[in-house]
Amino acid sequence: KQEVTQIPAALSVPEGENLVLNCSFTDSAIYNLQWFRQDPGKGLTSLLLIQSSQREQTSGRLNASLDKSSGRSTLYIAASQPGDSATYLCAGTFYNQGGKLIFGQGTELSVKP
Amino acid sequence: GEEVAQTPKHLVRGEGQKAKLYCAPIKGHSYVFWYQQVLKNEFKFLISFQNENVFDETGMPKERFSAKCLPNSPCSLEIQATKLEDSAVYFCASSQSLGLTNYGYTFGSGTRLTVV
Repeated sequence: KQEVTQIPAALSVPEGENLVLNCSFTDSAIYNLQWFRQDPGKGLTSLLLIQSSQREQTSGRLNASLDKSSGRSTLYIAASQPGDSATYLCAGTFYNQGGKLIFGQGTELSVKP
Repeated sequence: GEEVAQTPKHLVRGEGQKAKLYCAPIKGHSYVFWYQQVLKNEFKFLISFQNENVFDETGMPKERFSAKCLPNSPCSLEIQATKLEDSAVYFCASSQSLGLTNYGYTFGSGTRLTVV
């Protein structure tokens, strides 16, 4: 059974700090991994999608990496801002799972001014 | 449009009443997925469609939940005889493919169902 885990559950940092969010998965037969942001009471906003053949993707201050062999993905946020405060979720699609996303539990990020 | 539209945003039902949720996927997207977010961050897969055909329904509590995606209509998720435990946010997502290539998923803003 595929599982996706995110640690820590919550993280608080001062504004301007660079930070890394971690995501691990139990099955190396991963098709792709997607990072989302969820603001309180809102839906999911897709941040980055990494295919299994890729090692990283970048968008602005965000950089996501994927290491299939170790079962890990990281989301790097540079120069964090209070507006980055949200819950960040990683989710993967795996072989023989019909394309459904399997979500981690999320990391709740708070960036203090 | 380029967004997944879910209606209503909020729905309150008395225990035992019926609830019906709607989702209009992005035009051109062949796949629709429904997820249930019960606790703060726990997403549970319910069902997926390829156009109007059920693709994977392994997550559906079949005795009370049903879903449809009919041509030229929003997709729907219906819960008969709601229970308190059905209180959750229900998200719909659509994609051009099964997410097995370079196409990701676009999520709607969700419908918050409260059963009282």
